[in-house]
Amino acid sequence: LAKTTQPISMDSYEGQEVNITCSHNNIATNDYITWYQQFPSQGPRFIIQGYKTKVTNEVASLFIPADRKSSTLSLPRVSLSDTAVYYCLVGDGGSYIPTFGRGTSLIVHP
Amino acid sequence: GAVVSQHPSWVICKSGTSVKIECRSLDFQATTMFWYRQFPKQSLMLMATSNEGSKATYEQGVEKDKFLINHASLTLSTLTVTSAHPEDSSFYICSARDPTNAPTGYEQYFGPGTRLTVT
Repeated sequence: LAKTTQPISMDSYEGQEVNITCSHNNIATNDYITWYQQFPSQGPRFIIQGYKTKVTNEVASLFIPADRKSSTLSLPRVSLSDTAVYYCLVGDGGSYIPTFGRGTSLIVHP
Repeated sequence: GAVVSQHPSWVICKSGTSVKIECRSLDFQATTMFWYRQFPKQSLMLMATSNEGSKATYEQGVEKDKFLINHASLTLSTLTVTSAHPEDSSFYICSARDPTNAPTGYEQYFGPGTRLTVT
């Protein structure tokens, strides 16, 4: 199972774009990259998932370089409600056991 | 997306008693569910993998006789904390994978969590 490394914390301001990078140097060929958001006392919420290049949905974008050893979650124009912990997970769907790293605590300031 | 529920959302019990937490997949069938524990300001720690119709697989360091997991149907898994002690107080979260309702089938859906306080 590929281990992930993320910054422990980040600060931003309302309206700014936030990019959170996750390193996964040992990612396997069949592994997908998934990002979750967690608010205090709530279960994690799925944000986005990708395998390579770029994926975009109504909430975020996920950028994955060709070597797939890292990925960047991009949150456009953040608001105070985006203050949360963001987790990057990597795994193969067939035998995927979602294991969480420390995550990145994002604080959005007014 | 798919919905996973947990019941109760919070529970207070006395030391030495047992408490059961339910995890249900509301609109999909889950052959595999996962149970996590989360202490304040820490990440989720995987406790066990719950497999429908078979024994759960516990992570190293998790006492299987203390944390009983039953996955009797494709939509329900239960976690029973037996002889609870104050150190078992934590936030317990379950998750399930719906292979039919995601771009890749690898998307995990998490329950809202259960806050357990042992007095």
